Amino acid sequence: NAGVTQTPKFRILKIGQSMTLQCAQDMNHNYMYWYRQDPGMGLKLIYYSVGAGITDKGEVPNGYNVSRSTTEDFPLRLELAAPSQTSVYFCASSVKGDTGGYTFGSGTRLTVV
Amino acid sequence: RKEVEQDPGPFNVPEGATVAFNCTYSNSASQSFFWYRQDCRKEPKLLMSVYSSGNEDGRFTAQLNRASQYISLLIRDSKLSDSATYLCVAYSGGGADGLTFGKGTHLIIQP
Repeated sequence: NAGVTQTPKFRILKIGQSMTLQCAQDMNHNYMYWYRQDPGMGLKLIYYSVGAGITDKGEVPNGYNVSRSTTEDFPLRLELAAPSQTSVYFCASSVKGDTGGYTFGSGTRLTVV
Repeated sequence: RKEVEQDPGPFNVPEGATVAFNCTYSNSASQSFFWYRQDCRKEPKLLMSVYSSGNEDGRFTAQLNRASQYISLLIRDSKLSDSATYLCVAYSGGGADGLTFGKGTHLIIQP
């Protein structure tokens, strides 16, 4: 049972480059989320989705875009990467949005230089 | 502004000891609470939910004090494998974006 799968695990980007962080879940969860975690900081919500075709901004959406064409996949797009986007990115999913029972992916460590 | 505050630690505790740490939340409308565990360079994993009446799961006990707006986690007979960062999480309603994560408390169990 794979759970939530994120790719890549590590990536170094140059300033101004773009990339897509992939996230897929096989638990048929409707809710999916993207968080970033900076050293010594709490998880900050970037975007979330309550179902295929529906996405909403979280606390820190600037510089990112998402899409949710299927229940399984929730990619995060970085356009014009900036050093401030250096972080660890976690994708998560849940059955419902009002519980804390999230399943997280193993994360993507992104460095922008 | 929703805030969840935790002592970052580290808490250095000898193996076998009991350790407890608290988390305070600022939003009195917070409805439910959770403790997550995060190992170094790994993803957070749900440890336990926190119920109003308090709840226990093996060596772990979680308590909620709504009057003082804090939750606590108690670990008895600590093991080396308990070394991790423990994240306090509060849900304040409003849908899927209602979770607020604390910055975590770093626990180190020493042999």
